[in-house]
Amino acid sequence: NAGVTQTPKFRVLKTGQSMTLLCAQDMNHEYMYWYRQDPGMGLRLIHYSVGEGTTAKGEVPDGYNVSRLKKQNFLLGLESAAPSQTSVYFCASIRTGPAYEQYFGPGTRLTVT
Amino acid sequence: DAKTTQPPSMDCAEGRAANLPCNHSTISGNEYVYWYRQIHSQGPQYIIHGLKNNETNEMASLIITEDRKSSTLILPHATLRDTAVYYCIVSGGSNYKLTFGKGTLLTVNP
Repeated sequence: NAGVTQTPKFRVLKTGQSMTLLCAQDMNHEYMYWYRQDPGMGLRLIHYSVGEGTTAKGEVPDGYNVSRLKKQNFLLGLESAAPSQTSVYFCASIRTGPAYEQYFGPGTRLTVT
Repeated sequence: DAKTTQPPSMDCAEGRAANLPCNHSTISGNEYVYWYRQIHSQGPQYIIHGLKNNETNEMASLIITEDRKSSTLILPHATLRDTAVYYCIVSGGSNYKLTFGKGTLLTVNP
């Protein structure tokens, strides 16, 4: 049981390049989220998914796209990277019920030059 | 979601109990209190949650006041590895999105 994994762990992009971050979970959770965290700030929700084939915008969705083709995977795409997207990206898989617990991956550290 | 107020930082001696306070005076009846922590450079980690009653698990205890306007997370025997930013979050109902604020930086000293 690996929990939540993220690939890659680190990446450096040049402005205008594209990339996809992969999040995978083996807990059979329906809900999955993508956050970004900038130095000295809390987590901000980018996009989220409440089930296979569904996605929705969070607080800071501009410049990102997502897909949830398989229940266990949630992909975050940057079509044309900008320096403002330099951040640490965390994926979370959510155990839902009357309350809900979020289980996070180790993060992807992205630098856009 | 109700807003929370936490001290920006706290210190604790190793082996002693760490008591982290959180105010959430605007909490509504169906909202839960959640605690997460983030150790430097790692992903956040779920600790515990509660609605009305006090809760305990292998990591911590959560004490919620009777009026539910504040709570305290207790780490009974803090270790150096408990040094982290601790987030108190209130959320509930059909809103599954948790808003992470600035949290409390707990430093456990030898």
